[in-house]
Amino acid sequence: QITLKESGPTLVRPTQTLTLTCTFSGFSFSTSGVGVGWIRQPPGKALEWLALIYWDDDKRCSPSLKNRLTITKDTSKNQVVLTMTNMDPVDTATYYCAHIPRSGTTGFYTAFDFWGQGTLVTVSS
Amino acid sequence: QSALTQPASVSGSPGQSITISCTGTSSDVGSFNLVSWYQQHPGKAPKVMISEVSKRPSGVSSRFSGSKSGNTASLTISGLQAEDEADYYCCAYAGNSTYVFGTGTKVTVL
Repeated sequence: QITLKESGPTLVRPTQTLTLTCTFSGFSFSTSGVGVGWIRQPPGKALEWLALIYWDDDKRCSPSLKNRLTITKDTSKNQVVLTMTNMDPVDTATYYCAHIPRSGTTGFYTAFDFWGQGTLVTVSS
Repeated sequence: QSALTQPASVSGSPGQSITISCTGTSSDVGSFNLVSWYQQHPGKAPKVMISEVSKRPSGVSSRFSGSKSGNTASLTISGLQAEDEADYYCCAYAGNSTYVFGTGTKVTVL
């Protein structure tokens, strides 16, 4: 079955760069039609889509954060890495990675069907 | 790319039906049949309940259904149960391989 797990620092200082790793199993980027996204949720607030990388290395980031985000993958390690520069206390949130499959009929990527447990990142001096 | 608009809270008694709306624009909800809904219990990761506007993933109760009209998508929970009390989020494809989530709705079972 598909599983994902986020890892990275729990505390980051303001202005530092955050690096998070999503390690997954049950699927591979060697197979066409899969993607892995990052979504975050500040305490008590809504989900926010951050970035997504596809099996063919196509990648997209949220327009509001694109200058700060980088998403990469390591197919051999089954990992996706998200980096976010210039961290600020407002970036304090639980960060999730999630799997998204492509529909075999429409060709569109459908929904985030498997999620990691999330990792809480606090930005504070 | 602004967050989709959802009511902050919806409540209902056990056995009743409730509907949560998700309003976007002609660039996201209105353009693609790629709206999904997620249920999130406190301290837990979100769980997909509906994909592609109205498709129910395997294992999701038939009490959950989705629809869309114009720029507004809806999630209906029929036969409301205590276990349905949670936060619910919609998500829509916004074009150019980007996505946007809703503001979230807290469902309370009275």
